[in-house]
Amino acid sequence: NAGVTQTPKFQVLKTGQSMTLQCAQDMNHEYMSWYRQDPGMGLRLIHYSVGAGITDQGEVPNGYNVSRSTTEDFPLRLLSAAPSQTSVYFCASSYGAGGIRTEAFFGQGTRLTVV
Amino acid sequence: GDSVTQMEGPVTLSEEAFLTINCTYTATGYPSLFWYVQYPGEGLQLLLKATKADDKGSNKGFEATYRKETTSFHLEKGSVQVSDSAVYFCALSDAGSARQLTFGSGTQLTVLP
Repeated sequence: NAGVTQTPKFQVLKTGQSMTLQCAQDMNHEYMSWYRQDPGMGLRLIHYSVGAGITDQGEVPNGYNVSRSTTEDFPLRLLSAAPSQTSVYFCASSYGAGGIRTEAFFGQGTRLTVV
Repeated sequence: GDSVTQMEGPVTLSEEAFLTINCTYTATGYPSLFWYVQYPGEGLQLLLKATKADDKGSNKGFEATYRKETTSFHLEKGSVQVSDSAVYFCALSDAGSARQLTFGSGTQLTVLP
């Protein structure tokens, strides 16, 4: 059972480059989210999706795009990388929102450095 | 909006010491509360959870009780081990929100042999 799979694990980008962080889950979860983790700030929500074809912004969406064409996949796109986007990115999925069904399953993370 | 406040770390303890990591929250509804643990180089794993007032979540010797009157969900363990060294995150999920989880800033725990 793979759970939530993120690729790549590490990435170095130059300022202005674009890239896509991949996330896939095999648990048939409705909800998927992207978080970034920065020292002393915990995890902050970037974008989330409540089902295929539906996405919405989280706390820190600027500079990122997402799409959800299938239940399994939820890629995160950096349009024009900036040093402020240096962070560790986590994808998560869950059955639903609110209450106990919000128990989230996390990927291993992608460590992104923008130089 | 919803928020979670955790005690600041890092916390360093000797093996077999008692652990408390404080967590308080602000939420508009009746949230579910979670503790997640992140071991070095890994993603977050659910440690324990509680869905209503006075519920006690427990796992691997860790416990936390959902206290509505004090809006708290403090994490405790009676005797820590070196293998408990990790970052611990308190989080909440508001039943009325589709945004999943709101996290605290995390507490780094180091247990020395």
